[in-house]
Amino acid sequence: DVKVTQSSRYLVKRTGEKVFLECVQDMDHENMFWYRQDPGLGLRLIYFSYDVKMKEKGDIPEGYSVSREKKERFSLILESASTNQTSMYLCASSRDTEAFFGQGTRLTVV
Amino acid sequence: GQQVMQIPQYQHVQEGEDFTTYCNSSTTLSNIQWYKQRPGGHPVFLIQLVKSGEVKKQKRLTFQFGEAKKNSSLHITATQTTDVGTYFCAVSTHYSGTYKYIFGTGTRLKVLA
Repeated sequence: DVKVTQSSRYLVKRTGEKVFLECVQDMDHENMFWYRQDPGLGLRLIYFSYDVKMKEKGDIPEGYSVSREKKERFSLILESASTNQTSMYLCASSRDTEAFFGQGTRLTVV
Repeated sequence: GQQVMQIPQYQHVQEGEDFTTYCNSSTTLSNIQWYKQRPGGHPVFLIQLVKSGEVKKQKRLTFQFGEAKKNSSLHITATQTTDVGTYFCAVSTHYSGTYKYIFGTGTRLKVLA
């Protein structure tokens, strides 16, 4: 089975902190994605990557950056966390047809 | 960018009733995918449709892709409490030699026993 693992299930951070959300997949997938999920807004794409060191902006990249130094790992970085970044963050990976999701990280910025 | 609109946002049904969620786009879609997210869980892939007018079934679930490939529906016959969750449609779109998934806003289904 494909496994996508996110480093934390819950996080509480202070405004202005630099926050790292880590995601690891074990199926050698080229493509990895970061989404945030908010009630009524569905899943919105923040960034995605199709290869090591390659990244593309999604629909809502402002306030975020990403890093993909190894194929299996895709990190989401909040340079200076703000309260409007409180959300559920979902990482996904895929090879072709379907996306496989991690369990999600619920981030609260206080 | 490409957008997919999904309705309704919420649906409460009595157990045994049918349920349908709709996904609409203003542009022609190359494919449509459906995912289910159980409460407290993460989205899980259900199916992909690629052909105009395609209909696929999985037990009590029927998925349909419109003739013009601009809309899709998911119909559940005789809902059960295990059907509770949020159903998302998604489109896989090509971008710079790769592709990305654009998700609809989801329909949250509650089944009353």
